[in-house]
Amino acid sequence: DADVTQTPRNRITKTGKRIMLECSQTKGHDRMYWYRQDPGLGLRLIYYSFDVKDINKGEISDGYSVSRQAQAKFSLSLESAIPNQTALYFCATSDLAGVNEQFFGPGTRLTVL
Amino acid sequence: AQKVTQAQTEISVVEKEDVTLDCVYETRDTTYYLFWYKQPPSGELVFLIRRNSFDEQNEISGRYSWNFQKSTSSFNFTITASQVVDSAVYFCALSQNTGGFKTIFGAGTRLFVKA
Repeated sequence: DADVTQTPRNRITKTGKRIMLECSQTKGHDRMYWYRQDPGLGLRLIYYSFDVKDINKGEISDGYSVSRQAQAKFSLSLESAIPNQTALYFCATSDLAGVNEQFFGPGTRLTVL
Repeated sequence: AQKVTQAQTEISVVEKEDVTLDCVYETRDTTYYLFWYKQPPSGELVFLIRRNSFDEQNEISGRYSWNFQKSTSSFNFTITASQVVDSAVYFCALSQNTGGFKTIFGAGTRLFVKA
């Protein structure tokens, strides 16, 4: 079984709809991250969490919110989706130190019409 | 400031050619980590290597090698005798002490290896 899972894998939604992307991990890591990938822009950090009680904004947090329900779960919400949020979204985890590599989920492809 | 620049957007080579992917970083920290990740056409992100700021030793792993030079703030990646399976997007990333070691990625370099 995959160490980092994301649901859904693909989602098409309409402008204005609320949508939640979920991430679960079995790595036992404290740190979790949400990134979005757009062509030519690489991976940009949306939010990150160093433990259950710690949530931090990344480079591009506007229009997004997150919830760290447990050590193993980190959800990303789009309260009112807009077309320029169409992207590939990745969840990732790393150990407490943060100095080692990140482990990524398979990604969620989100299309906002 | 924390920044990673991968100036090469796309590179196309013929199989068996050597290819170097450039990565230039900016940081004010003395303690930081550099990474390379590979994203094949299937979409997943695969970790390739980590290097810390105190270790400038170059590394070789099979056909892959990495050249870390603090004097030029570069961490370049060379694939020797490229193969079609090397076709992917490659990301360089930086994690620094300030900010608690969150990771910033470059824009990526798409490598096409033609048979």
